Amino acid sequence: DVKVTQSSRYLVKRTGEKVFLECVQDMDHENMFWYRQDPGLGLRLIYFSYDVKMKEKGDIPEGYSVSREKKERFSLILESASTNQTSMYLCASMEGTGSAGELFFGEGSRLTVL
Amino acid sequence: SQKIEQNSEALNIQEGKTATLTCNYTNYSPAYLQWYRQDPGRGPVFLLLIRENEKEKRKERLKVTFDTTLKQSLFHITASQPADSATYLCALPEDSGYALNFGKGTSLLVTP
Repeated sequence: DVKVTQSSRYLVKRTGEKVFLECVQDMDHENMFWYRQDPGLGLRLIYFSYDVKMKEKGDIPEGYSVSREKKERFSLILESASTNQTSMYLCASMEGTGSAGELFFGEGSRLTVL
Repeated sequence: SQKIEQNSEALNIQEGKTATLTCNYTNYSPAYLQWYRQDPGRGPVFLLLIRENEKEKRKERLKVTFDTTLKQSLFHITASQPADSATYLCALPEDSGYALNFGKGTSLLVTP
């Protein structure tokens, strides 16, 4: 069974803390994505990566960075967490490039910043 | 970038009826369009993909249509069941072709 695993389902952090959200996929997919989902705003793309060490900004990259050192792992980093980053974070992977493939999502990481 | 509109009001229907959800987009017609299902607290799950040269696609009780003239896709669930209750998202490729942009989703509630 294909799987995208996010390291933490629930996190509570304090303002100013550095936060790491980890995502691992076991499907050997080239493409990986980080979205955040908020009520009334839907899913918004933060960053994506189409290859190891490659990254592209999505619609809302401010306040975030990413790391893709290995093909199977894509990390989202909040350098200094703020309360407006309280959200559900969803990682996804997809095979190929421009191949109209389906996205496989993880279960999500619900982050609360106090 | 593409603007994607889904009915924000929840759709309530009776078990056994056909549910129809709408997805409208505003700019260029995409090469394909996808539909996902999302249950509360879970990640979205892929349901169907329809390409621009396909008018209709079916999978079991699901049917998707794609009208590039109207810039609209319709998602139908026939013989709906309470287990079909969820939020349904449509998604289109963004400009780079790598990522997907999602609509805000429509919540469907099927009552017995």
